[in-house]
Amino acid sequence: GESVGLHLPTLSVQEGDNSIINCAYSNSASDYFIWYKQESGKGPQFIIDIRSNMDKRQGQRVTVLLNKTVKHLSLQIAATQPGDSAVYFCAESQDSGYSTLTFGKGTMLLVSP
Amino acid sequence: DARVTQTPRHKVTEMGQEVTMRCQPILGHNTVFWYRQTMMQGLELLAYFRNRAPLDDSGMPKDRFSAEMPDATLATLKIQPSEPRDSAVYFCASGFSGYEQYFGPGTRLTVT
Repeated sequence: GESVGLHLPTLSVQEGDNSIINCAYSNSASDYFIWYKQESGKGPQFIIDIRSNMDKRQGQRVTVLLNKTVKHLSLQIAATQPGDSAVYFCAESQDSGYSTLTFGKGTMLLVSP
Repeated sequence: DARVTQTPRHKVTEMGQEVTMRCQPILGHNTVFWYRQTMMQGLELLAYFRNRAPLDDSGMPKDRFSAEMPDATLATLKIQPSEPRDSAVYFCASGFSGYEQYFGPGTRLTVT
């Protein structure tokens, strides 16, 4: 979910487990959502996106679910691996055609072998 | 493979000095963004350009920050004078008329 202040929410899982990272967004007019992964010392990396006319989208080992009724987004990672350890950000866009994104504070995923 | 590059990767400077950060967007991308990341505020959009024209810099402190795109292959972010509160990681991202943004590795700025 979203963080408050200095401390990021942290999700700790065992290798091989499925992970679910949650995000609440604020603007009901948002029409596009993206999940980014940020490893230590690197820039955010695109994982998967979804438009507001969809409620589910699948990628390789990842699934994004969108619930517009409660303004909730989730990222599911199947068979989590140590290499999935990172901070995950959701981002929303309200400026159709202008490509600006508003990022959440992030969730840290720790995967232990 | 194509990627956004940023220089320098690390910068330590004294308060009051000028800092210039550079970004080379992915060739062919027409939109460039500057973000600042801190633990307290997360990722904040400072400014962005489309086809080299500034579209929005409302996230940037105007008195000391400036962003430019001298040409399609170079974007710059300048801070003058720098202050300790400017210490952060500054990211550049580029995209092409869509929502997906590709981020560079960032410039870690420390102002003492």
